[in-house]
Amino acid sequence: GQQLNQSPQSMFIQEGEDVSMNCTSSSIFNTWLWYKQEPGEGPVLLIALYKAGELTSNGRLTAQFGITRKDSFLNISASIPSDVGIYFCAANFGNEKLTFGTGTRLTIIP
Amino acid sequence: GAVVSQHPSRVICKSGTSVKIECRSLDFQATTMFWYRQFPKKSLMLMATSNEGSKATYEQGVEKDKFLINHASLTLSTLTVTSAHPEDSSFYICSAKTGTGTGAEAFFGQGTRLTVV
Repeated sequence: GQQLNQSPQSMFIQEGEDVSMNCTSSSIFNTWLWYKQEPGEGPVLLIALYKAGELTSNGRLTAQFGITRKDSFLNISASIPSDVGIYFCAANFGNEKLTFGTGTRLTIIP
Repeated sequence: GAVVSQHPSRVICKSGTSVKIECRSLDFQATTMFWYRQFPKKSLMLMATSNEGSKATYEQGVEKDKFLINHASLTLSTLTVTSAHPEDSSFYICSAKTGTGTGAEAFFGQGTRLTVV
């Protein structure tokens, strides 16, 4: 099935650094979601975006719904060890099914 | 956020047996639940959409007789892997939406690690 293009695939950063990842698509969506998944667990919703251009924060996390409705980014400021995990973007257009990104694996170097 | 509980978290079964996985929305009613399969280091692959009171909608390539889905109530959907084989070993995850249309967020269960030996 269709997947969103998520980049980068993996990131190795030092604690305290900022992180940025993004998702792009050739299709328009009207909802973008960002999830975090830790090993052996299901994804946990971080931020939900419902309007083009919307910029939403959740603590150190900030995400934006691209104005073209074909992309979204997630920023994490001042990373800490517990930020380690795989981050997925997801999007849908009106119907129930979510399309998922390929994931960004975040590793923090002490 | 809303809570979705999945049970069991891990199961090991013998080839040829069937395994049932439960997905419950604990603090909200979910007319629609989704079942995903996730291979190691890969993204989530939608298997089927489970609709309360009606037949599930399966994605292309997913065998409906192999993966039986029942959504008998607004808070419970079950996935039964029938006549399991080692290649069915995987991480299965369910999700439930808190409503319909825009603004309805999808929350995930904690996943079930199935190992078929």
